[in-house]
Amino acid sequence: SQQGEEDPQALSIQEGENATMNCSYKTSINNLQWYRQNSGRGLVHLILIRSNEREKHSGRLRVTLDTSKKSSSLLITASRAADTASYFCATAVRGGNQFYFGTGTSLTVIP
Amino acid sequence: DAGVIQSPRHEVTEMGQEVTLRCKPISGHDYLFWYRQTMMRGLELLIYFNNNVPIDDSGMPEDRFSAKMPNASFSTLKIQPSEPRDSAVYFCASSLLAGVSEQFFGPGTRLTVL
Repeated sequence: SQQGEEDPQALSIQEGENATMNCSYKTSINNLQWYRQNSGRGLVHLILIRSNEREKHSGRLRVTLDTSKKSSSLLITASRAADTASYFCATAVRGGNQFYFGTGTSLTVIP
Repeated sequence: DAGVIQSPRHEVTEMGQEVTLRCKPISGHDYLFWYRQTMMRGLELLIYFNNNVPIDDSGMPEDRFSAKMPNASFSTLKIQPSEPRDSAVYFCASSLLAGVSEQFFGPGTRLTVL
């Protein structure tokens, strides 16, 4: 399977703390994207990092990519209760048109 | 734009019945994707279209599943006959450029087959 895997599967933190989620994948990629899914909703795009980039920031989000290790991490700083959701990485395989989604990390931020 | 629109939001049906899920992508998006999400298997790509043409349907689980895109603003996913193991949330997503741009997801259709 080309599906990525997120680690940990579940994460529970206090409001204000930082949350780090990791994603590992198997094939060469064009880019990697992170999505958020609130309970009962569709996925929402957060950030895209290209294969030639190593780090990217967007507001309280920081994404890193290590293509040699085939891994990425998503850091959410100063977490808020509203950040409670599931987070998925999606890899765009080089030369392909579709994404392969990981298994997701369920994040709970306790007020 | 209202985003990707899916209908119905919830569908409860009995085994053996035909189910049709509908999707309206974002105007101007050339790619449309159908996904299925379950606890056991996560998010699976079923099929995707480019300019209304099915490109890859290798994720369609069985012949009971079929998808069409008669025009740029409408797609359907049909299950006939439905089975309890088809119970899942089905998402439609669209994107401007596949593979290099973000996908916009609809709210999903929660299907329950009794």
